[in-house]
Amino acid sequence: EVQLLESGGGVVQPGGSLRLSCAASGFDSGFPFSAYAMNWVRQAPGKGLEWVSAISGSGATTYYADSVKGRFTISRDNSRSTLYLQINSLRVADTAVYYCAKVKSRGSGYESILDYWGQGTLVTASS
Amino acid sequence: EIVMTQSPVTLSVSPGERVTLSCRASESVGTDLAWYQQKPGQAPRLLIYGASTRATGIPDRFSGSGFGTGFTLSISGLQSEDFAVYYCQHYNNWRGTFGGGTKVEVK
Repeated sequence: EVQLLESGGGVVQPGGSLRLSCAASGFDSGFPFSAYAMNWVRQAPGKGLEWVSAISGSGATTYYADSVKGRFTISRDNSRSTLYLQINSLRVADTAVYYCAKVKSRGSGYESILDYWGQGTLVTASS
Repeated sequence: EIVMTQSPVTLSVSPGERVTLSCRASESVGTDLAWYQQKPGQAPRLLIYGASTRATGIPDRFSGSGFGTGFTLSISGLQSEDFAVYYCQHYNNWRGTFGGGTKVEVK
């Protein structure tokens, strides 16, 4: 079964940077990690879910929520089955648990139906 | 930008009851609608996609319906493990827009 494990969260001053990682495992050899688009979704403390970013299986295509565009960069290393989220110019409003999630369908990530989620990593912007 | 609105915010019910949660889209989304369940301290879990298709391993007491702008998630015979927060999500064009959630709590 697919497993996703996020890391890299922590307490960072506003304006700072950090990189989140999501290590993926359990993919079928016939349909590897690179066959699936991936997403980042965040959840501020006590709040609901907010879609953050998506990346195609090859890594060639990326998408961002307006709230993070220009500050966040999603990427992936398919040789390592790892997804990344580079966060720059961190704001207090970015404080949240960040989840990586796998898109259900192989190939296109056009439909962001998220069938596997990691346990999340907490990012806190605080001075 | 499409806005997803869920109601009610909180639903107090007793085990064994049937509950119906509502999700409304600000404009038509066809059937590009999913439902997720989230328990405290856990990641969300996919329940329903395509408005009415149960995800793998989801019990048949969960059912989804709707098209366009109005959707419902029904849970029949509520069990103790079903007390959680439920989110609807419109997915399209690589993005996902979530509703604010409905908390189903013990009455």
